[in-house]
Amino acid sequence: DTGVSQDPRHKITKRGQNVTFRCDPISEHNRLYWYRQTLGQGPEFLTYFQNEAQLEKSRLLSDRFSAERPKGSFSTLEIQRTEQGDSAMYLCASSLAGAYSPLHFGNGTRLTVT
Amino acid sequence: AQSVTQPDIHITVSEGASLELRCNYSYGATPYLFWYVQSPGQGLQLLLKYFSGDTLVQGIKGFEAEFKRSQSSFNLRKPSVHWSDAAEYFCSRTEAGGTSYGKLTFGQGTILTVHP
Repeated sequence: DTGVSQDPRHKITKRGQNVTFRCDPISEHNRLYWYRQTLGQGPEFLTYFQNEAQLEKSRLLSDRFSAERPKGSFSTLEIQRTEQGDSAMYLCASSLAGAYSPLHFGNGTRLTVT
Repeated sequence: AQSVTQPDIHITVSEGASLELRCNYSYGATPYLFWYVQSPGQGLQLLLKYFSGDTLVQGIKGFEAEFKRSQSSFNLRKPSVHWSDAAEYFCSRTEAGGTSYGKLTFGQGTILTVHP
């Protein structure tokens, strides 16, 4: 078990630029989740996949955000035309599909939009 | 909508003292409850979870939590705190089963400072 891996750890970008983050889940986990955490707050759910299917998206996920999990393994989260309000920690988690399977979180990607 | 409240934003204790972090959740038919810990710049590590059964659950690092349905609470406790326990602690919940599982709702977090 090598854990959930996220890349990059930190990203600084200028407003209006596009950014893409990658998440590699634990290999046998078929569920993958994206959360966003702003300073002083708990993580907020963004979206999740079961295998390659994106099953749910939060209202927080505006049309500038898109997530993919093309082969049911790694996932990418892209933010287009970044805004300063997008500055946050983006957390990825994975789990097995069973009801009693806990989420395992990665160390996150910290995005700063200047 | 589901919600989780952690009334204490910041708690300071002395090393060796006992600890209790409070968590209240909004009513739900079958809440699944969790406590996570987050060190600076790190992801979240699961401390313990409650699904059903015994209302006192044991976790890693000597932590335990008690589920009290009548009070809608799931407080985290540790009898003797170590300096390495300094971190931010998050209570969270989800609903049982189906597509809702994994959509965790988190509290705001409680920052724990440990004095030597």
